[in-house]
Amino acid sequence: KNEVEQSPQNLTAQEGEFITINCSYSVGISALHWLQQHPGGGIVSLFMLSSGKKKHGRLIATINIQEKHSSLHITASHPRDSAVYICAAPGLGTYKYIFGTGTRLKVLA
Amino acid sequence: NAGVTQTPKFRVLKTGQSMTLLCAQDMNHEYMYWYRQDPGMGLRLIHYSVGEGTTAKGEVPDGYNVSRLKKQNFLLGLESAAPSQTSVYFCASSYAAYGYTFGSGTRLTVV
Repeated sequence: KNEVEQSPQNLTAQEGEFITINCSYSVGISALHWLQQHPGGGIVSLFMLSSGKKKHGRLIATINIQEKHSSLHITASHPRDSAVYICAAPGLGTYKYIFGTGTRLKVLA
Repeated sequence: NAGVTQTPKFRVLKTGQSMTLLCAQDMNHEYMYWYRQDPGMGLRLIHYSVGEGTTAKGEVPDGYNVSRLKKQNFLLGLESAAPSQTSVYFCASSYAAYGYTFGSGTRLTVV
């Protein structure tokens, strides 16, 4: 079992839908990082958070440290949101990331 | 623009050839990492460095060597390429644990 688990692994949505991607972790962490990777593309940082909620445009990330759970929400999804979304976290006392296996999102027009 | 630059972006090698991938960062980050990404496997750590002149092995170090002679550069070498090393390679850097910045990747094919 991975120390960082994501669900779902694959997700297909219609344009305009509200999307939620979940990330659960079993290790102590100092913060959690959400990353985005478009097909054939590089890895882009979306959010890094250690508590509460962050918002950027149509993207919202939340984290509950006690429950060891984070969610990434996309409001009014668009085909350009189609990408793999990865959560990752450095363990406590370490700088090395533990990566989730990613959620492959496809938004249909 | 500040960030992490990887060169080359694409490369095709014949089995047994050698090559070096260069990662350069201009953010004065202490920590640098090399990952490989394979379908269905996610990102796996090859080697990392916690400062100039230091390197350490990650999860999948076999067949690779690294050097960090200057703080801003982290080189990944393949001495004798094998088809199993066909992958996308990502470099990243970080200031302690405060978030990674990734390069745009190097797509390597070994035939």
